[in-house]
Amino acid sequence: KAGVTQTPRYLIKTRGQQVTLSCSPISGHRSVSWYQQTPGQGLQFLFEYFSETQRNKGNFPGRFSGRQFSNSRSEMNVSTLELGDSALYLCASSLVPDAYGYTFGSGTRLTVV
Amino acid sequence: SQQGEEDPQALSIQEGENATMNCSYKTSINNLQWYRQNSGRGLVHLILIRSNEREKHSGRLRVTLDTSKKSSSLLITASRAADTASYFCATDANRDKLVFGAGTILRVKS
Repeated sequence: KAGVTQTPRYLIKTRGQQVTLSCSPISGHRSVSWYQQTPGQGLQFLFEYFSETQRNKGNFPGRFSGRQFSNSRSEMNVSTLELGDSALYLCASSLVPDAYGYTFGSGTRLTVV
Repeated sequence: SQQGEEDPQALSIQEGENATMNCSYKTSINNLQWYRQNSGRGLVHLILIRSNEREKHSGRLRVTLDTSKKSSSLLITASRAADTASYFCATDANRDKLVFGAGTILRVKS
């Protein structure tokens, strides 16, 4: 079966712009989580959605937002980009939250210049 | 701050040797998971051990969990060059999200 698909794989944006990243979970998976990975901070939780509802949110500013659609696909948006937002953004899906482990996508590498 | 702390930060071994990585965490958990990441790509789930389990095996992997010491270890036996990767432990201290450690970079030399 297809894995978790994240698009785009690479993105270069300018400070002040906004960006939207997409994640398609494994078919049947209803839980989608987003993580930011940077060399300095490591893997940091952004938010988690289950059945279109945000169940948990990490300690990130309001510029970071997300949503989940009825088909379980998820998008995250970052507005007013800053240089420090450059990171690998990872999406993970699971059948239900925190039961059997998560399947991660390959990530979107965002570079802000 | 991160919940899990891996030790060592980096490990270099010869092919065929065993690799042991340790993870310590701070608060009570429901389960602990180990993930592998190759060259900044996505994470691959390796194994999940629940708080009422003490040891779990999966192929060449053996994971132990000591909830009294709030620690876990991952043993990779008979390592291969393909095992070269970063390894992370993750806990569910806060429901619905994983809290990752800083990771151990494993290099297996052929």
